[in-house]
Amino acid sequence: GNSVTQMEGPVTLSEEAFLTINCTYTATGYPSLFWYVQYPGEGLQLLLKATKADDKGSNKGFEATYRKETTSFHLEKGSVQVSDSAVYFCALTMTGKLIFGQGTTLQVKP
Amino acid sequence: NAGVTQTPKFQVLKTGQSMTLQCAQDMNHNSMYWYRQDPGMGLRLIYYSASEGTTDKGEVPNGYNVSRLNKREFSLRLESAAPSQTSVYFCASSHRDRGEQPQHFGDGTRLSIL
Repeated sequence: GNSVTQMEGPVTLSEEAFLTINCTYTATGYPSLFWYVQYPGEGLQLLLKATKADDKGSNKGFEATYRKETTSFHLEKGSVQVSDSAVYFCALTMTGKLIFGQGTTLQVKP
Repeated sequence: NAGVTQTPKFQVLKTGQSMTLQCAQDMNHNSMYWYRQDPGMGLRLIYYSASEGTTDKGEVPNGYNVSRLNKREFSLRLESAAPSQTSVYFCASSHRDRGEQPQHFGDGTRLSIL
């Protein structure tokens, strides 16, 4: 079946460091891919998305490229801030119903 | 902009009690979803409603029922709560049940079953 695997957390970085959160997926067709972010005590917010191979989603300095050949959608940011501390979820959908990874907690220290 | 509103935000129940979690959206979305979030497991789909008048099971439907009351409202009912249903519950909605449509989430209901 379809599934999403994310790197284990927590990821702890200093402010202005480079961020990569790995995400790989298994799917029988051509899914749409998403990154959602969850700040403490809140629901999930869409961070970025890509709907076909080689698309790059970007928002708030975060980027992710849909790589069909490696079935990956890694999240990157060049310089993280303390305010980026949150839980990040990679997700895929084939038919509108989302399948989530387990989430990766990011802690950014001043 | 209210978006997706869930009530209550917190609830403590005893084993065997029943409860209904409420969800309403004001974005005129066709599709609505209920998820549960457990540590280390991401979010798992309980039930969804692709459009008004239809509901379908997701990945973990056992112990739950849903009602799509109208286009705006989608409720989740626990008929006889069990400790295994202790979780954070999220409601979400999207314009339609298609792959590229992002889902909008409420802030969650934190439910503890004693």
